[in-house]
Amino acid sequence: TQLLEQSPQFLSIQEGENLTVYCNSSSVFSSLQWYRQEPGEGPVLLVTVVTGGEVKKLKRLTFQFGDARKDSSLHITAAQPGDTGLYLCAGVGAAGNKLTFGGGTRVLVKP
Amino acid sequence: DAGITQSPRYKITETGRQVTLMCHQTWSHSYMFWYRQDLGHGLRLIYYSAAADITDKGEVPDGYVVSRSKTENFPLTLESATRSQTSVYFCASRDYPGELFFGEGSRLTVL
Repeated sequence: TQLLEQSPQFLSIQEGENLTVYCNSSSVFSSLQWYRQEPGEGPVLLVTVVTGGEVKKLKRLTFQFGDARKDSSLHITAAQPGDTGLYLCAGVGAAGNKLTFGGGTRVLVKP
Repeated sequence: DAGITQSPRYKITETGRQVTLMCHQTWSHSYMFWYRQDLGHGLRLIYYSAAADITDKGEVPDGYVVSRSKTENFPLTLESATRSQTSVYFCASRDYPGELFFGEGSRLTVL
């Protein structure tokens, strides 16, 4: 079973601060996805990273896939209250048919 | 409207009763999934299906049964509900190798 560990489990910061969420595994994934989930809703895809070492930017969010395709990070610059939510990473196995999710990081950005 | 819908959204039942959670998608996605979400465990895969009449076990299949006679429907049945099955259940669908689209979740309480 491929396992993904996210850290930290919970992060509380002030508006304007930066934050980084980590997603680590001992397994290699063909790609890795990051989702964001708001209370009472299902997760929504933010990004997919495919190539080892890849960096993708979505406005204030920067996603990086490790060179060995075993880990990833999400960095948010100048966080805003609208960034509050549960962030989930998900690894796609070699067969590409199913995703393994990490335990999630709950982010709270205080105004 | 196109999308993925789950029913019921909320369900309270008693130990030993049979419960069926329904999932319907309008995109004709080939893959469908059932996850459960519990505090501290993130999203754990129960069952998935690659096409009609093809299903496979995920990480935590015990106590659950699925079927997929039509591409658009993927019901999840708890044959004899237990308290440990109290959780939020999410159905999701995707086309290979795209993103997962989640329903809004079904919150199940087993008394």
